[in-house]
Amino acid sequence: KQEVTQIPAALSVPEGENLVLNCSFTDSAIYNLQWFRQDPGKGLTSLLLIQSSQREQTSGRLNASLDKSSGRSTLYIAASQPGDSATYLCAVSRGNNRLAFGKGNQVVVIP
Amino acid sequence: EAEVAQSPRYKITEKSQAVAFWCDPISGHATLYWYRQILGQGPELLVQFQDESVVDDSQLPKDRFSAERLKGVDSTLKIQPAELGDSAMYLCASSPDGEAGEAFFGQGTRLTVV
Repeated sequence: KQEVTQIPAALSVPEGENLVLNCSFTDSAIYNLQWFRQDPGKGLTSLLLIQSSQREQTSGRLNASLDKSSGRSTLYIAASQPGDSATYLCAVSRGNNRLAFGKGNQVVVIP
Repeated sequence: EAEVAQSPRYKITEKSQAVAFWCDPISGHATLYWYRQILGQGPELLVQFQDESVVDDSQLPKDRFSAERLKGVDSTLKIQPAELGDSAMYLCASSPDGEAGEAFFGQGTRLTVV
């Protein structure tokens, strides 16, 4: 069974600092990895999708890397802003687009 | 921009009552998922449809939960009877065909069972 772990579970950073969020997974036979953002009481917003053949994806201030062999992904958010405060979820897909999620990184950016 | 639509956004129901949630996926997306998310946890798959067929319902508590997608478009998830432990966020998602498709989620239905 695929297990996804996200570390740290929660973190606070001052505005302007770079954020580094880590995700690890136990089974490297994945099709893709997605990072999502979730605001309190809301649904999930897709941030970045990395296919298994790719090493990284970038969108604006966000950059996600994927190392399948070591079962790791890292989400970087440059120059954090208070509006980046949210929970970030990592999910991996292995067959039939079935997603296995971690518990999330809860981020607070302090103005 | 195309979105996954869910209703209602919030639902409060008494224990032992029936409750239903509705989902309309992004047009053209053949695959539809229902996930349940308990506070502080990641979402867990309840059921997956490919068109109108169930692909995976191994984690669906079939004694009280049912799901259908009759015409291969929108879907309904039902709980009867509801239990206190069913209080959670119920999320619907859809994705296009193919093993590596991106999943798009709706805003969810927050269920509280009292």
